[in-house]
Amino acid sequence: DVKVTQSSRYLVKRTGEKVFLECVQDMDHENMFWYRQDPGLGLRLIYFSYDVKMKEKGDIPEGYSVSREKKERFSLILESASTNQTSMYLCASSLRGEVYEQYFGPGTRLTVT
Amino acid sequence: AQSVTQLDSQVPVFEEAPVELRCNYSSSVSVYLFWYVQYPNQGLQLLLKYLSGSTLVKGINGFEAEFNKSQTSFHLRKPSVHISDTAEYFCAVRPFSGGYNKLIFGAGTRLAVHP
Repeated sequence: DVKVTQSSRYLVKRTGEKVFLECVQDMDHENMFWYRQDPGLGLRLIYFSYDVKMKEKGDIPEGYSVSREKKERFSLILESASTNQTSMYLCASSLRGEVYEQYFGPGTRLTVT
Repeated sequence: AQSVTQLDSQVPVFEEAPVELRCNYSSSVSVYLFWYVQYPNQGLQLLLKYLSGSTLVKGINGFEAEFNKSQTSFHLRKPSVHISDTAEYFCAVRPFSGGYNKLIFGAGTRLAVHP
């Protein structure tokens, strides 16, 4: 059974804190993605990675960075959290190739106060 | 560039009634098309996808969608809904070439099935 796990379901942080969101997949997928989900906006791509140590900016990378040191793990970093980064964050993974399904984790609901 | 428009943000319907969730897209290149479903407090899971061939695609849980190239639409349908179909539904596209399997999502349609 395919599995994408995220380190926390709910997280509350203060403005200015450094925040790490972790994602792990057990399917040996090459591609991994970070999205944020906001009401009325759907899912927007923050960053993705197509291989270890490789990353590409998505549509809304400002204020975020990522790290992929191992194939199964993809981390999203908020260097200095701000209230406008309060959102649901979803991680996904897929095999390399354009027709393959993306598998999603359960999401992390981050609140920045 | 591609964009996806889901024409209804919310669709209320009674149990056992038919439902159609509408999706239109804009793209200068050919695309693959997907519908994902998100049940409350869960991540997204794939309902169905159109890659090529027959324009009528069948998915899980009795859903189907029809690709209409001339109208650039990919509407999702189910002939008889259940309470358990209450969820948010996302239409997504992926251009044919390049882009490392990046998906572009619509804003979502919240389906509420009432008894």
